[in-house]
Amino acid sequence: AQSVTQLGSHVSVSEGALVLLRCNYSSSVPPYLFWYVQYPNQGLQLLLKYTTGATLVKGINGFEAEFKKSETSFHLTKPSAHMSYAAEYFCAVTRNTNAGKSTFGDGTTLTVKP
Amino acid sequence: DTAVSQTPKYLVTQMGNDKSIKCEQNLGHDTMYWYKQDSKKFLKIMFSYNNKELIINETVPNRFSPKSPDKAHLNLHINSLELGDSAVYFCATLSGGRTGELFFGEGSRLTVL
Repeated sequence: AQSVTQLGSHVSVSEGALVLLRCNYSSSVPPYLFWYVQYPNQGLQLLLKYTTGATLVKGINGFEAEFKKSETSFHLTKPSAHMSYAAEYFCAVTRNTNAGKSTFGDGTTLTVKP
Repeated sequence: DTAVSQTPKYLVTQMGNDKSIKCEQNLGHDTMYWYKQDSKKFLKIMFSYNNKELIINETVPNRFSPKSPDKAHLNLHINSLELGDSAVYFCATLSGGRTGELFFGEGSRLTVL
């Protein structure tokens, strides 16, 4: 079984401030972890992913996430927020033995204030 | 050239009607999905096809019937539409290998009146 919990359904930051979106997962086998972003009226697109190897992964637009097995976390960060990053962000987990079925978190809405 | 394309993008219909949503992908991926996103943005997997064969059916009412005529197409037909079917339906494909990356279409917004 696998599950994802995103802490905070809404996060609001000022432009230029640090963005931190939290994701905790549960998986009975080593997980593959993903962050997807959804802009208004669009589909989801991959920001970054962790499969194996280096635990700090970098994605598009300077976003990063760190896989911490001891904390079962995969938090997403961006040092400096920009208005264009306002969107819905989803964390997802997939078992590495069955990459086909991803479980998504409930999403976090990021608002960036000028 | 859109990798995963869905039609129609918007669909408004009356309760009790039957409607279909079509999905086509040009990525050459073997596995395709239908996801439902409700008004709170929660995403839920509905179906998955691998090379035209149904492999996941997540407790979806029988009124929903997916069909995959070939590897590049996955359609969703919904009978006797209900108010609760109003949602955005996303088609997605799974990248090759075992990394599990999904590619999503832009969604089809269904409104049932």
